[in-house]
Amino acid sequence: DAGITQSPRHKVTETGTPVTLRCHQTENHRYMYWYRQDPGHGLRLIHYSYGVKDTDKGEVSDGYSVSRSKTEDFLLTLESATSSQTSVYFCAISGTGSGNTIYFGEGSWLTVV
Amino acid sequence: AQSVTQPDIHITVSEGASLELRCNYSYGATPYLFWYVQSPGQGLQLLLKYFSGDTLVQGIKGFEAEFKRSQSSFNLRKPSVHWSDAAEYFCAVADRDDKIIFGKGTRLHILP
Repeated sequence: DAGITQSPRHKVTETGTPVTLRCHQTENHRYMYWYRQDPGHGLRLIHYSYGVKDTDKGEVSDGYSVSRSKTEDFLLTLESATSSQTSVYFCAISGTGSGNTIYFGEGSWLTVV
Repeated sequence: AQSVTQPDIHITVSEGASLELRCNYSYGATPYLFWYVQSPGQGLQLLLKYFSGDTLVQGIKGFEAEFKRSQSSFNLRKPSVHWSDAAEYFCAVADRDDKIIFGKGTRLHILP
């Protein structure tokens, strides 16, 4: 299994509070991704990174920001959580981008009440 | 921008029967194509991938998929399903800008 750790794995938070999800990898892979998974929508790309301090938006980036100050860590921040951001969040990594397999973390279950 | 369509939200087959899950993509150039499987409460596991060359690719767990450029399809097949194949299956397409886009998934149910 690829060395990907997501934290926290489960979190309940209140509307309007900031939340940060962390993805840590031990594979030294260049590319990292954040997806959210919702019933009927499958997996949707939020943001991705192609190197330290290099990030770009995905399909559903509104309300989310990311940072990557080190190769191994990719943080996803919800500045002011809303109920529509209740979801399962998956981090993924890839060695050289689209031409290679991406590996997924185990997911972070976020509930915004 | 690329996109992926999985027309079937749910599919039910009997154990031992053959299986085909459909996937259609939209992309201007030759895409990179993937099939992933997700068991309940788990992350996604790669079944197989197509980059170039032979259009029929073999994957793990007895799955195969065929790339048909003329139909913009990458359908997943298995000759005989097992109860353990019950899961959700995702088709994905990647472009040269490193974005990997997934379909909405097909949930497979197996009848005993």
